[in-house]
Amino acid sequence: AQKVTQAQTEISVVEKEDVTLDCVYETRDTTYYLFWYKQPPSGELVFLIRRNSFDEQNEISGRYSWNFQKSTSSFNFTITASQVVDSAVYFCALSEAEYGGSQGNLIFGKGTKLSVKP
Amino acid sequence: DTGVSQDPRHKITKRGQNVTFRCDPISEHNRLYWYRQTLGQGPEFLTYFQNEAQLEKSRLLSDRFSAERPKGSFSTLEIQRTEQGDSAMYLCASSLLASGTDTQYFGPGTRLTVL
Repeated sequence: AQKVTQAQTEISVVEKEDVTLDCVYETRDTTYYLFWYKQPPSGELVFLIRRNSFDEQNEISGRYSWNFQKSTSSFNFTITASQVVDSAVYFCALSEAEYGGSQGNLIFGKGTKLSVKP
Repeated sequence: DTGVSQDPRHKITKRGQNVTFRCDPISEHNRLYWYRQTLGQGPEFLTYFQNEAQLEKSRLLSDRFSAERPKGSFSTLEIQRTEQGDSAMYLCASSLLASGTDTQYFGPGTRLTVL
């Protein structure tokens, strides 16, 4: 069975603090994809990153960084020097690979609500 | 490129009525997905199309739900005899099936309230 667990329901930080959002996943497949999406108060899910299961290299994009560790089935997301505009609900998601390597439907965690206070 | 659009953005209906939502994917995207999101939860997969073919349906998609994508472009999701439990945000996403680039991009959603 496939499952994504985001144990942190809500996190509150003060602007400029670093914050890490945890994501643990379960899958029996050897080929799969992991994602992070951001859902601001407006409601639209915004794609942030996609990783495939064969690429464990950590990634940095500006203030965002992602740590993928297959050994612990985790795909954690860190925001450095948080800003008020980072306030949103963040979802981690898993997709198993279909025949040919394309992604299937997304299985989401319950999300972590991040509040960044000025 | 315009993004995924959904119409209406909000719908209030009375229990027992039928409702229909529309999704217009990103131009040239051949896959289209429907998800449902209830308060405090992550989106849950309902169904998806590749071109006009409906390839997969979730167990969440009861007989009262039907989705179409008649010409492989826009899609509609109809709920018949709505129930209060159908109140949720209905999200549409589209992607282009191609190796390494079939990330799903989401629309703004249709929020359904069943009274």
